[in-house]
Amino acid sequence: GAVVSQHPSWVICKSGTSVKIECRSLDFQATTMFWYRQFPKQSLMLMATSNEGSKATYEQGVEKDKFLINHASLTLSTLTVTSAHPEDSSFYICSARVGTGPGSYEQYFGPGTRLTVT
Amino acid sequence: GNSVTQMEGPVTLSEEAFLTINCTYTATGYPSLFWYVQYPGEGLQLLLKATKADDKGSNKGFEATYRKETTSFHLEKGSVQVSDSAVYFCALSDRNYGQNFVFGPGTRLSVLP
Repeated sequence: GAVVSQHPSWVICKSGTSVKIECRSLDFQATTMFWYRQFPKQSLMLMATSNEGSKATYEQGVEKDKFLINHASLTLSTLTVTSAHPEDSSFYICSARVGTGPGSYEQYFGPGTRLTVT
Repeated sequence: GNSVTQMEGPVTLSEEAFLTINCTYTATGYPSLFWYVQYPGEGLQLLLKATKADDKGSNKGFEATYRKETTSFHLEKGSVQVSDSAVYFCALSDRNYGQNFVFGPGTRLSVLP
């Protein structure tokens, strides 16, 4: 149980175009989803937190107009990289969490999406 | 703020060697602690976790004990295999901060046959 999928697993796009990445919780409903970015040989950097039906909360330094997050349902969140540039090339990982109470500490991670902007 | 520190890698070991990857944390509350493993080109997989002091998490021969007095959660395995080669991340989740995760920088482990 607790499987999170991402689509696509990798994508190559041209500079200036937009790319949408999907994150789905397959066998549970996720009240909160998270988007992380990982540069080569580095740790995960939290970009934003999204709750179903409300606007995402972005971490400091993350451009919300560039990284559009939509959490339309309890099983789907999307990250759209708008007007992508080569510096946006990275590994993007989503995670999902059930509940918000004291016991809901665990996140389930997707397999990641590798974005290359040429 | 909360933070996680891990020993710097890369760590290179021979098969069947003993592994220790140190992890220490700073948190204002009572965090839950995790070890995640990332194989090349893949996402993160939960390896083990501990939610309160003195808890021991274990899985696949790996184990770690939540030490509140030393704010540590060191990962150990008695006999590593080539298939254990991966990057290991220590992380914490603090209910005082919305349960958001804070990750350590990761430690790359290479096990040689």
